[in-house]
Order: sequence, then structure tokens, then C-alpha cells
Amino acid sequence: AQTVTQSQPEMSVQEAETVTLSCTYDTSESDYYLFWYKQPPSRQMILVIRQEAYKQQNATENRFSVNFQKAAKSFSLKISDSQLGDAAMYFCAYKSPGNQFYFGTGTSLTVIP
Amino acid sequence: DAEITQSPRHKITETGRQVTLACHQTWNHNNMFWYRQDLGHGLRLIHYSYGVQDTNKGEVSDGYSVSRSNTEDLPLTLESAASSQTSVYFCASSPWGPGELFFGEGSRLTVL
Repeated sequence: AQTVTQSQPEMSVQEAETVTLSCTYDTSESDYYLFWYKQPPSRQMILVIRQEAYKQQNATENRFSVNFQKAAKSFSLKISDSQLGDAAMYFCAYKSPGNQFYFGTGTSLTVIP
Repeated sequence: DAEITQSPRHKITETGRQVTLACHQTWNHNNMFWYRQDLGHGLRLIHYSYGVQDTNKGEVSDGYSVSRSNTEDLPLTLESAASSQTSVYFCASSPWGPGELFFGEGSRLTVL
């Protein structure tokens, strides 16, 4: 089975600064999808950003961007101009061609005022 | 707007009782999933379904069952609840292809 690894259980960032959350995955597939989800204290899982493996261009959504390195099987999330509302648990997820989703164990992000 | 809803949102039960968590989606997705979330483990797959009458076991399926009689619903049943099943449960659905997982709000289950 595919595995998704988030090696940073906890991260902190100063408000207005930039932080990068790491994610690596293991797969033998060439066509797949990657996602970052945010889970605030409300417990709701919110999609932050997605990346199709066949696209070389890194996805961007406002202050959120990814660094997708397909050969290295790395998919990091960069949050620019961090805001207090960004404080949450972040999960990296891999979607296989067979429509199976695999999640990392999450990174808890604290934003310091 | 389409959505996915879970009920109940919170439940306390006793060891040995049968518990059913409901999940209803109006996205018309064929694919539905149940996950449990525990500290240090992230989201672990319990059961999933790719369509009506189709159900499959995930990595932590022991003690759980699901049934899929229509597209919209995938109830999760704990046949005989155990304290180890105290957790937060998420139902989710997705389309085929590049679509993401759409999550319900989660159900917190406590087994005493």
C-alpha cells in the first residue's frame, strides 16, 4: 500500500511569516493526485490545495502553494503571510488511480501573534 | 448546495452495545468512505464502497460493518462496541478521477 509521511508533528510560525510543511509519499504509479487538507479546531476537513501528478506546474491558491517534486516523491505546502486563522492540523493526502486515499499523520501548525 | 452529513455528531454508549453512525451525501458520488481519526494515527480507513451493493474492508475494519443500498447512504455499524473504538469518525465521498474527498463534519463516539 502507498504510504504518506509527514515528518513534522508540530510546527510554529510567526504571524505574517512563511512556513513550509513537508510531505513525502511512496508509490509506483505515474498518474495520481495529491492534496493538502486543513483541520481547524472545529474538526471540519477543508481542502486547501490539490496537485495532479501529470502537471509539472506547482499549484497555487492565494497564500498557499506547493512544491511538487515528482521524482523525489515530495509534496510540501508553503503558507505565505501566515494568519492566525491558519492555525490548524494539516494533512497531506495521496489519491491513487484506483480512487484510494492515503493520509499522513498530520502536522499541527501554531501561528504566533 | 450538495453536502455530506453525519449523525449523530456526538454519542456516548456502553461496551457491548450496537451502534450505527449514519452518513448521507447529496453529491451523487459513487465512492464513499469511513475513516476514524485518533491522535498520532491520522485518518485510517475502515470501510469503503464504490457503488450500490459494493462494500470493501479498509485497514482497520475489525468490529465494523457497512452496507450500501443506495447511492446516498453508507451507514457504519459497530456490532458490539469496545472501548478501543472510542474515536472521531469521518464519512467522506468522492467522484472518480481528479476530485477530492468531501468530508462530513465528523461523529465523536465514546464507548464507556
